[in-house]
Order: sequence, then structure tokens, then C-alpha cells
Amino acid sequence: DARVTQTPRHKVTEMGQEVTMRCQPILGHNTVFWYRQTMMQGLELLAYFRNRAPLDDSGMPKDRFSAEMPDATLATLKIQPSEPRDSAVYFCASGEWDRENEQFFGPGTRLTVL
Amino acid sequence: SQQGEEDPQALSIQEGENATMNCSYKTSINNLQWYRQNSGRGLVHLILIRSNEREKHSGRLRVTLDTSKKSSSLLITASRAADTASYFCATDSNSGNTPLVFGKGTRLSVIA
Repeated sequence: DARVTQTPRHKVTEMGQEVTMRCQPILGHNTVFWYRQTMMQGLELLAYFRNRAPLDDSGMPKDRFSAEMPDATLATLKIQPSEPRDSAVYFCASGEWDRENEQFFGPGTRLTVL
Repeated sequence: SQQGEEDPQALSIQEGENATMNCSYKTSINNLQWYRQNSGRGLVHLILIRSNEREKHSGRLRVTLDTSKKSSSLLITASRAADTASYFCATDSNSGNTPLVFGKGTRLSVIA
């Protein structure tokens, strides 16, 4: 049963600390997305990759957020330094771009920055 | 900017009733997809309807698409308490190489 996995599932940290979130996309999927979800803003696309190359990260605050795909089985989203306003649920999703763009979501990382 | 916009924002019905949610969008699309999100979980793909299709069924789900009005509806028949979730529409535009654009969702509560 292929699924997207994310770690950690929950993270509580203090303002100013570095946070790294990890995602393992479904094997064979060539596109990976990072989203942030809050009650106020809903689901926001932060960045996405196709064949490990970043296609668009315009949704991310560049000064503190960075997203990478070191290899086809791992995507990372890093926040440094973290701020209370970064508190949200961060979702990773993967898909096969050419297959009608259906996305498969991971369970999310719930981040709380104190 | 958000392409799909769901209506209503929240819906509360009794078990056994039908639930209808609507989605409006702005630009031309290749397809429109509906996703479901249970509380504390990731989104799950429910159904996809292509721009050349008008209606599609999957179990108790029925989706319609009206490209002339740029709108879609999701009907859940004979609702169950387990259908309680948020439902999102997402549009796949035909401008090429752009990801899905999600709406803000409809929160459905089915009361037993």
C-alpha cells in the first residue's frame, strides 16, 4: 500500500530554532509538493519539484524557508529561524505529473512555534 | 491566488440526507478534482472529472461539471456520520505545467 510518509508528525519548538520536516514521496512519482495549512489561510502551496528540480517556490518566504530534494526518495522543508506565525500543518504530496495531476498527500507535520 | 471557491463554507445535515457542495473557478481547466480531508489528516483524492465530461459517479458520489458556468458540484447521497470532513475542489488548468489550485473547502458535518 504505497503512501507518502512525513516526519515528524508533531513538532513543538521555540522561536528562533531551526525546524526540518521530511517527506518520502510514493516510489515512482516524479512531482513533489509542499503545502501549509492554517485556519485563516487555508491550504497554501509553498513549493514544488518535478524530477527533483525545483519548479516554483514563490509561495515560500525565501529568507527563512528552504526546500530541497537530495534524492528521489526524500524531500525536505527547512525553516530557519522559526517564528510563531509559522505554526501550521505542513503537508507533502506527490504525484505523476503526466497522469492528470492527481496528488497523494502525506499525513502532515503539525508545527507549533512558541 | 485561489482558483476554486467552494460554497457553502460549512454544511450541517442529518444522516441519510444528501449533501451538495459547489465549486466555482475562473480560468479554463483540463480537469477538476474533489478531495476529502478528515480532521487531522491529509487530503484524499475522491474523484476527477475531465473538461469534456459533464457528470461522473463513484459509489455515493456524483460530480457534475458545467464549463460554460465554470462550476462543479459534488453530491453525496445517503450521507453517513463517517462522511463528516472537509471537501475541497482543485482545478488543473490547461495553461501547462502548473500545479493544482485548491479552494478553501466546505466543512460538512453529518449528524447521526
